[in-house]
Amino acid sequence: EAGVAQSPRYKIIEKRQSVAFWCNPISGHATLYWYQQILGQGPKLLIQFQNNGVVDDSQLPKDRFSAERLKGVDSTLKIQPAKLEDSAVYLCASSDQGFTEAFFGQGTRLTVV
Amino acid sequence: DAKTTQPTSMDCAEGRAANLPCNHSTISGNEYVYWYRQIHSQGPQYIIHGLKNNETNEMASLIITEDRKSSTLILPHATLRDTAVYYCIVTGKAAGNKLTFGGGTRVLVKP
Repeated sequence: EAGVAQSPRYKIIEKRQSVAFWCNPISGHATLYWYQQILGQGPKLLIQFQNNGVVDDSQLPKDRFSAERLKGVDSTLKIQPAKLEDSAVYLCASSDQGFTEAFFGQGTRLTVV
Repeated sequence: DAKTTQPTSMDCAEGRAANLPCNHSTISGNEYVYWYRQIHSQGPQYIIHGLKNNETNEMASLIITEDRKSSTLILPHATLRDTAVYYCIVTGKAAGNKLTFGGGTRVLVKP
């Protein structure tokens, strides 16, 4: 079974620029999560989708972050404009309807300079 | 969501059992205890979960106290590859099966 795919693996941008991350979850998984992990901390949930609807986006900084899930499959997370404090690893995860476990991708490491 | 408390770090000798404690005194009756680990530069990896009975799989054992206020993850024969941050998470349907990560326990397995 193919895992959760994320791209790019690494991205360096200047502050005030925009950036987008892409996630392809495991086939058939209804739930998709985006997490932000700052160095030395545990992952923080940004947004959770169930199919293509948003279940929880309470910790998503909506003035600069946006996310969508295309046709309930792939998802993109965008930051516009980026700030220095957005430097982090962005993790995507997916789980099936019954939620036994969530599978995580390798993450995208973003550096804002 | 029920909060969890874990030690910040612990060392373990290679080949010995590693016992990782977690307190979750506010857990509700329909919430599960999940354990994940994160090896350096990788995404978190599911280890095991349980409701009230002890559980065992090929990776680890999970011991949950009778009052469900605490649990212990046991890695029976720790190897150097088990060096990672281990997260104890409590969640359930009422919380939308949301995984809320704390700081975890940084486990260092030494030769």
